[in-house]
Amino acid sequence: GENVEQHPSTLSVQEGDSAVIKCTYSDSASNYFPWYKQELGKGPQLIIDIRSNVGEKKDQRIAVTLNKTAKHFSLHITETQPEDSAVYFCAAGGSGTYKYIFGTGTRLKVLA
Amino acid sequence: DTAVSQTPKYLVTQMGNDKSIKCEQNLGHDTMYWYKQDSKKFLKIMFSYNNKELIINETVPNRFSPKSPDKAHLNLHINSLELGDSAVYFCASSLGTVSYNEQFFGPGTRLTVL
Repeated sequence: GENVEQHPSTLSVQEGDSAVIKCTYSDSASNYFPWYKQELGKGPQLIIDIRSNVGEKKDQRIAVTLNKTAKHFSLHITETQPEDSAVYFCAAGGSGTYKYIFGTGTRLKVLA
Repeated sequence: DTAVSQTPKYLVTQMGNDKSIKCEQNLGHDTMYWYKQDSKKFLKIMFSYNNKELIINETVPNRFSPKSPDKAHLNLHINSLELGDSAVYFCASSLGTVSYNEQFFGPGTRLTVL
């Protein structure tokens, strides 16, 4: 069945360093890849997304890259700050479908 | 504030009871969802409604029954609660049904079954 693998499950970085979270999806029909950030006690919130016709997208300190051939996509956070500490989820959405398959989440800790 | 809201935020109940969680969105969206997040933070879709019609029904026990009285509301009723139902339940909404429409999540309802 459809599956999205996400690594690592936990990630600790020093403030100011970069963080990279990687996901792999199985459904070749997937064409939309959002990333959500979930802070403690809150619901997930979209931080960046990418469609399959684009290889990279950047928004300030956050960037996402997509390799459709390998079915890989990654989240890159540069100059990390303590407020970046949260659980991050990748997801894959298919063509014509509104259903997301979420990755298993990455708990990011930014150490001051 | 425009948002997705859920009530209650916390729900503690005994095994075997029946309970409901309510969700409302004032974003003008026509598609709403229920997700379950277990203790390991795994987020899995349960149901989705578009214009009050059920469009996604994952392999969820029949004890779970969603109800959408109108486009702005999607409630979740759970019968005969079991220990394994303990989780955080999130409601979400989006404009339209294509995958690249952002899903907006509510704050979650933490259900604890004793």
